[in-house]
Amino acid sequence: DTEVTQTPKHLVMGMTNKKSLKCEQHMGHRAMYWYKQKAKKPPELMFVYSYEKLSINESVPSRFSPECPNSSLLNLHLHALQPEDSALYLCASSLSATRNIQYFGAGTRLSVL
Amino acid sequence: SQQGEEDPQALSIQEGENATMNCSYKTSINNLQWYRQNSGRGLVHLILIRSNEREKHSGRLRVTLDTSKKSSSLLITASRAADTASYFCATDAGDSSYKLIFGSGTRLLVRP
Repeated sequence: DTEVTQTPKHLVMGMTNKKSLKCEQHMGHRAMYWYKQKAKKPPELMFVYSYEKLSINESVPSRFSPECPNSSLLNLHLHALQPEDSALYLCASSLSATRNIQYFGAGTRLSVL
Repeated sequence: SQQGEEDPQALSIQEGENATMNCSYKTSINNLQWYRQNSGRGLVHLILIRSNEREKHSGRLRVTLDTSKKSSSLLITASRAADTASYFCATDAGDSSYKLIFGSGTRLLVRP
């Protein structure tokens, strides 16, 4: 199984809503990532979890809150987002830091109204 | 911060032709990877080339790496309409971090 599964595929939320994005992998990977991607731009790294601990936070606003409940699951909790946060949110995983070929999910298309 | 710049930004070719994309980066690296992204979907890893390698092949893909010029190229031979996608190079930060830094990407259109 080489899949990274992201849910939901699409999400529309208001600026006062609280929602969560979910990511799951069963490849035994120990590193998991959240990226944000705007149209016609490359993915921008947001967070990295290594062995279920947050190892990189790329100065992301606190309205984005990551969580890694176990080695297979990664969540991104969203609260009080702004319209400019509308983007494709991608989850990825890799075996480890030195084996950093990343496997990506299909993404969640987020629209903030 | 974005390390890699790719050119061209967009490329349109006829099916059967070859497509070449170039990537430049700024810092020392351990390896360089190429990924493909179909419109609005996740990225798919294509090939990885290590800093001590100069050329690598995988099917219709050929990747070169010139560490002295801090540049890489991806050649897709005998292109197909299904190759239509965006292509990104990605480099590690040259240390033991988990960070991949993606280039700006090349949007390839293969016309049937």
